[in-house]
Amino acid sequence: GAGVSQTPSNKVTEKGKYVELRCDPISGHTALYWYRQSLGQGPEFLIYFQGTGAADDSGLPNDRFFAVRPEGSVSTLKIQRTERGDSAVYLCASSLVGGRRETQYFGPGTRLLVL
Amino acid sequence: KQEVTQIPAALSVPEGENLVLNCSFTDSAIYNLQWFRQDPGKGLTSLLLIQSSQREQTSGRLNASLDKSSGRSTLYIAASQPGDSATYLCAVYHYGGSQGNLIFGKGTKLSVKP
Repeated sequence: GAGVSQTPSNKVTEKGKYVELRCDPISGHTALYWYRQSLGQGPEFLIYFQGTGAADDSGLPNDRFFAVRPEGSVSTLKIQRTERGDSAVYLCASSLVGGRRETQYFGPGTRLLVL
Repeated sequence: KQEVTQIPAALSVPEGENLVLNCSFTDSAIYNLQWFRQDPGKGLTSLLLIQSSQREQTSGRLNASLDKSSGRSTLYIAASQPGDSATYLCAVYHYGGSQGNLIFGKGTKLSVKP
């Protein structure tokens, strides 16, 4: 079946602009995760959704970052007033019901470049 | 604070060699440990998941071991092939983290030369 998809695959924006990154999880997966991966680093957790609600948003770096999942499927990560330090690959993952014993399935990521 | 370290950062081997990638974590209070593969410009592909109660998992030419008490895991790749070239990441689910919070190492970049 189809895996996790993310759009756009690449995004170039100017400092101070607003961007939205979209994630389509595997159909039927109730848990959805966002990570950020900077060059040469491992992914770092941003936020975890269980259904429509954010179960843990402790990884969001500041209030410029916000994510939603209004219908419990597609999720959008929103970044306001982008800064050059926001440049990274933003990865989305999903799992069937959520929980520490499950494998997370990752999408290909969105490469964000802030000029 | 849980920290995950992977050694070496990069590794180059000739085709056909058996090799070992290392992962260590500072806090043994983990639920499980996972090994992922990441190809350039691609997302992560899960290779093996070892629950905290398990000692090892095998899939084809891959074997991952877990020694929770010493905070170590190894990924063994037998008879390496050029197609194995990628970055290999290990990640742990830590008791102190949230249900979504995988903690990753920085990865080992593997190059297998034909």
